[in-house]
Amino acid sequence: QKEVEQDPGPLSVPEGAIVSLNCTYSNSAFQYFMWYRQYSRKGPELLMYTYSSGNKEDGRFTAQVDKSSKYISLFIRDSQPSDSATYLCAMSPRASKIIFGSGTRLSIRP
Amino acid sequence: KAGVTQTPRYLIKTRGQQVTLSCSPISGHRSVSWYQQTPGQGLQFLFEYFSETQRNKGNFPGRFSGRQFSNSRSEMNVSTLELGDSALYLCASSSAGSHMNEQFFGPGTRLTVL
Repeated sequence: QKEVEQDPGPLSVPEGAIVSLNCTYSNSAFQYFMWYRQYSRKGPELLMYTYSSGNKEDGRFTAQVDKSSKYISLFIRDSQPSDSATYLCAMSPRASKIIFGSGTRLSIRP
Repeated sequence: KAGVTQTPRYLIKTRGQQVTLSCSPISGHRSVSWYQQTPGQGLQFLFEYFSETQRNKGNFPGRFSGRQFSNSRSEMNVSTLELGDSALYLCASSSAGSHMNEQFFGPGTRLTVL
């Protein structure tokens, strides 16, 4: 079993919809939780990060961490075609080695 | 500030050959990490270098090695290439002082092994 599980998708939604992306994990030592966005032929870029449990909001993006369920989510409100990309969850027990999910391909239909 | 650069961007090799990939981190960043990305396995951590020393290592065979120079530039070497080594190799740099160790990724080197 992988330490981090992520539904690979692809996920296709109409423009303006709310998108929910999720990951589960098995290592209770994870403390840092991140979401990266990767466009085609580019490297991943950090979207959001949270430390321990709770919610964090940044514009149209909200990250949630539920450590008791070992479950993290990223919500995208008012989705735009420019949000079409692969979204990778990532987590770390400390500030160095990061474990990534396999990524979810998201497509926003105009 | 210039971002992370990787050279070459694309590479085609044959089985048994060796390859060296290069990464130039963001100016001032002293930590460089390498990852392998494939459709089946996703993004997997190879190793991290900080101040010319390997600080962390993933679960890859000894054919994969790396080094870091005094100017923080890093190289990754893969010897005796196998078909399964075909992947996107990503380099990421970070500031050692960052609490969260945010990593900034380069565009990657696409390696194809024939």
